[in-house]
Amino acid sequence: DTGVSQDPRHKITKRGQNVTFRCDPISEHNRLYWYRQTLGQGPEFLTYFQNEAQLEKSRLLSDRFSAERPKGSFSTLEIQRTEQGDSAMYLCASSSRMSTDTQYFGPGTRLTVL
Amino acid sequence: AQSVTQLDSQVPVFEEAPVELRCNYSSSVSVYLFWYVQYPNQGLQLLLKYLSGSTLVKGINGFEAEFNKSQTSFHLRKPSVHISDTAEYFCAVSLRLTGGGNKLTFGTGTQLKVEL
Repeated sequence: DTGVSQDPRHKITKRGQNVTFRCDPISEHNRLYWYRQTLGQGPEFLTYFQNEAQLEKSRLLSDRFSAERPKGSFSTLEIQRTEQGDSAMYLCASSSRMSTDTQYFGPGTRLTVL
Repeated sequence: AQSVTQLDSQVPVFEEAPVELRCNYSSSVSVYLFWYVQYPNQGLQLLLKYLSGSTLVKGINGFEAEFNKSQTSFHLRKPSVHISDTAEYFCAVSLRLTGGGNKLTFGTGTQLKVEL
């Protein structure tokens, strides 16, 4: 396994711009999760996919956030009209059918909104 | 609702000394508990997990944790720490989601700083 990968690792943007992050889970992992981690806090759950279906969304995921996993493999997280409060580390994790309880995390994308 | 409390935001310790990082949880259902470690500018790495069975769980890098249902605790321990253990440690509790997935609820983390 090559592990969960995320791209980009860092993103600096101006307030009001749209940004998109990509997550490639471990091959054949059917479940994929997005979390957000702000400074000094633990990660907070945002959303979850089983294959291509988005099955759960946190109320933290405002209308400006959208996530997709079109073919049940990689996923994208888009933030529209970014705000300074969106500055955080966005983490992706995946888990397999055989070990649903264990989530493997990627390195994260650090977003800074100026 | 589930929650995790990590009372110690920072724990300084000398190399080769023992360490305990505290974690208390709150849950209305059966729990799965986890400890993750995060090194600077990296994602989270699973140290160990409790799903069922023996309450003493052994993980990677010499860490272990004990599930105590009566005290709703899941403290992490290592008998002798190394400089390379310096990192942020997160305790988490799992909630089953629709379709069989799991939502992790994390504590605020404990920064372990190992000094020479």
